[in-house]
Amino acid sequence: RKEVEQDPGPFNVPEGATVAFNCTYSNSASQSFFWYRQDCRKEPKLLMSVYSSGNEDGRFTAQLNRASQYISLLIRDSKLSDSATYLCVWYSGGGADGLTFGKGTHLIIQP
Amino acid sequence: DTGVSQNPRHKITKRGQNVTFRCDPISEHNRLYWYRQTLGQGPEFLTYFQNEAQLEKSRLLSDRFSAERPKGSFSTLEIQRTEQGDSAMYLCASSPRDRGDTQYFGPGTRLTVL
Repeated sequence: RKEVEQDPGPFNVPEGATVAFNCTYSNSASQSFFWYRQDCRKEPKLLMSVYSSGNEDGRFTAQLNRASQYISLLIRDSKLSDSATYLCVWYSGGGADGLTFGKGTHLIIQP
Repeated sequence: DTGVSQNPRHKITKRGQNVTFRCDPISEHNRLYWYRQTLGQGPEFLTYFQNEAQLEKSRLLSDRFSAERPKGSFSTLEIQRTEQGDSAMYLCASSPRDRGDTQYFGPGTRLTVL
């Protein structure tokens, strides 16, 4: 089983719609979780951290379910500028092994 | 610009040649990471420095790859005898002391091996 699994998409969503992604992880010792955003041919950038209690930042909501080992990202009122690849990421702690990334989910917001 | 910088941004080389990339982290960050990203994949961890010490190396880092951070500031990643399979984006990231989960990425060096 791969360490982090994501549906690669693409997800084609009309502007203004709500879209949700899930990501499953296999390492139960994973300490921290994040969603990164990556635009085409650019570096990944931190979108938000993910907590068990949920984390909301404007139109974005992230959730962690440790029992089922998945994290989710919800985008409300999607904008054309939300078109990007969204990478699910976990970190085991201690500096070792760096960040572990999923393959990413490609989102296309259509006008 | 005080972010992570990488040079060159693009490199085209012929198979069998050696290439070297440079990364300048955010100045107060003591941790530095190298990742590789191929098309359709997420970044994959290669190696990690804390100050000048290389503390972790992925099994992806073959003997042809070597990384250094001699003064605990900038780092270089060298690939010897390049192969077509080395074609990828090489990303550098840095993080503050004791915050390995908070990594800031540079723009990457895109390597094409012909």
